[in-house]
Amino acid sequence: AQSVTQLGSHVSVSEGALVLLRCNYSSSVPPYLFWYVQYPNQGLQLLLKYTSAATLVKGINGFEAEFKKSETSFHLTKPSAHMSDAAEYFCAVSRGQGGKLIFGQGTELSVKP
Amino acid sequence: GAGVSQSPSNKVTEKGKDVELRCDPISGHTALYWYRQSLGQGLEFLIYFQGNSAPDKSGLPSDRFSAERTGGSVSTLTIQRTQQEDSAVYLCASSHDRGSGNTIYFGEGSWLTVV
Repeated sequence: AQSVTQLGSHVSVSEGALVLLRCNYSSSVPPYLFWYVQYPNQGLQLLLKYTSAATLVKGINGFEAEFKKSETSFHLTKPSAHMSDAAEYFCAVSRGQGGKLIFGQGTELSVKP
Repeated sequence: GAGVSQSPSNKVTEKGKDVELRCDPISGHTALYWYRQSLGQGLEFLIYFQGNSAPDKSGLPSDRFSAERTGGSVSTLTIQRTQQEDSAVYLCASSHDRGSGNTIYFGEGSWLTVV
């Protein structure tokens, strides 16, 4: 069955530093992969998605992710963190009828001034 | 509306009472999903609708949980005889397409507290 694992339930970076949030997937076929962000007391917002068109996917707010089949990874990065990036980030894989999303456990990102 | 709309945004109910949570998806979206988000369990899939049919109900945790969708639009998630472990945020989402890889848009959730 397809699933995703996010390494690190909490990541803390300084403002201006590189953001790296890790996600590994488990799939027997090329998956559809997503990153969502959730700001406090809000719903989920799509950051970006991989659908096999290109391995490097650019999303909103300066985030990007690279699909690496050899490593079964889809890590999320941003070159320079802003205070406004503080939120919870979820990696997800699309599976089954209707393309329902199966989520990782989430990574809370803190940004220090 | 412009996005997925959910009501109520907050609900406090007594243990044993029934609750109904409503979702109004993005206009024209045929696929609708319910998820539950809780501290211990993360984001859990509950049910998927395509039109008014629910081909995937595999995530409903017990027979106290049910959902329906009418007119291919509004959906209601009903929890009967609520228990404290039902306390969570219930998220509704919708999508224009039905296949894997389709973009799914989420509402802001209904926060349920069972006391």
